[in-house]
Amino acid sequence: QEQLVESGGGVVQPGRSLRLSCAASEFTFNNYAIHWVRQAPGKGLEWVSATSSDGTYKYYTDSVKGRFTTSRDDSKNTLYLQMNSLRPEDTAMYYCARSVIRGLWYFDLWGRGTLVTVSS
Amino acid sequence: EIVLTQSPGTLSLSPGERATLSCRASQSVSNNYVAWYQQRPGQAPRLLIYAASTRASGIPDRFSGSGSGTDFTLTISRLEPEDFAVYFCQQYGNSHPFGGGTKVEIK
Repeated sequence: QEQLVESGGGVVQPGRSLRLSCAASEFTFNNYAIHWVRQAPGKGLEWVSATSSDGTYKYYTDSVKGRFTTSRDDSKNTLYLQMNSLRPEDTAMYYCARSVIRGLWYFDLWGRGTLVTVSS
Repeated sequence: EIVLTQSPGTLSLSPGERATLSCRASQSVSNNYVAWYQQRPGQAPRLLIYAASTRASGIPDRFSGSGSGTDFTLTISRLEPEDFAVYFCQQYGNSHPFGGGTKVEIK
């Protein structure tokens, strides 16, 4: 069945870096834009970034611009989220999710998430 | 940017009852581009409804969405035990914010 699986989370000190991975299976990865959505403990959902199906277009929420970047490796059906200069407020469960229709960012497939904790 | 306000924050109901969840936008949502998601404890969100009223694949027909403009509603006609969860709305027109969520808990 179609699946997204995140990995790479962990505990990291403020100012350090972390790279998350989102691996796709059982669907044609390069047909879809892939997004990162995060959820701080006990809070709601916050869209973080979007990467177009061919990796050409990338979008980020204002609070992570200049610190987070994404890249795709279609040979591995994987999207990466490079997170630099991490802050305590970046602490959250990070989900990757798929959007179906170009330009319409609702998410029909989600991974189970990977937890990032930024703390000294 | 459009702000979505969900109400109530918590809804306490019994299995078999009807649940009505509200999502109000700070300005009109273009083309009724509103989605609803269910999140069970410890699980990822699951798409229920898109385009305000279209059920996603595999979603039971006890879930229905309605509304237009600034006011949208998710209705669960008869609550099943697995429906007790948190529900989020999302606007995906010219931006893509989520509402704060409504928790449906067992009374």
